[in-house]
Amino acid sequence: GAGVSQSPRYKVAKRGQDVALRCDPISGHVSLFWYQQALGQGPEFLTYFQNEAQLDKSGLPSDRFFAERPEGSVSTLKIQRTQQEDSAVYLCASSLTGLGEKLFFGSGTQLSVL
Amino acid sequence: GESVGLHLPTLSVQEGDNSIINCAYSNSASDYFIWYKQESGKGPQFIIDIRSNMDKRQGQRVTVLLNKTVKHLSLQIAATQPGDSAVYFCAENSDNQGGKLIFGQGTELSVKP
Repeated sequence: GAGVSQSPRYKVAKRGQDVALRCDPISGHVSLFWYQQALGQGPEFLTYFQNEAQLDKSGLPSDRFFAERPEGSVSTLKIQRTQQEDSAVYLCASSLTGLGEKLFFGSGTQLSVL
Repeated sequence: GESVGLHLPTLSVQEGDNSIINCAYSNSASDYFIWYKQESGKGPQFIIDIRSNMDKRQGQRVTVLLNKTVKHLSLQIAATQPGDSAVYFCAENSDNQGGKLIFGQGTELSVKP
């Protein structure tokens, strides 16, 4: 596609539910990143893939957060047993090669946990 | 004017004026810097980038200045337009942070017609 595509655009979950957020990066982009953005804050790094390999997951806030990119293209961020503090916008970004270059962001998934 | 606290720092300018948005970074090892623009309900959009071996880079209506001595980055927007109203983030990258982009807090730019 022309840009990074994320779905769903909005997700409302009851506390304790599991959610799955999808990211479709720009075709041919090797690297994929997930960021979390709280209201009024800058994006915060969650995790990074190069092809199908998850090279850095240091930003994942807890073991309830899990990301995968099994075929080196589409990625899914899964949050288990959602809590209210998980409410945020989850941004996906991709880059042509890897680290140290500009990222192209999707529009994000706004997650609200009630 | 500017305000800092629970809310984003804000900058209000008149249409047609030049805008200067500032960013301080803390990691002296950072070697790559980017400015992003984020409109409400959208993801960050790339504006301009600069590597640490440069101190100035120009794009269309935008200029980024890098002062490594005081670890300061600025974005200058010439002839600011209402469509420039958005939140602007600086981001830095360094090998000692795993090479990932680290974002600053952001500045909200409001352009008055």
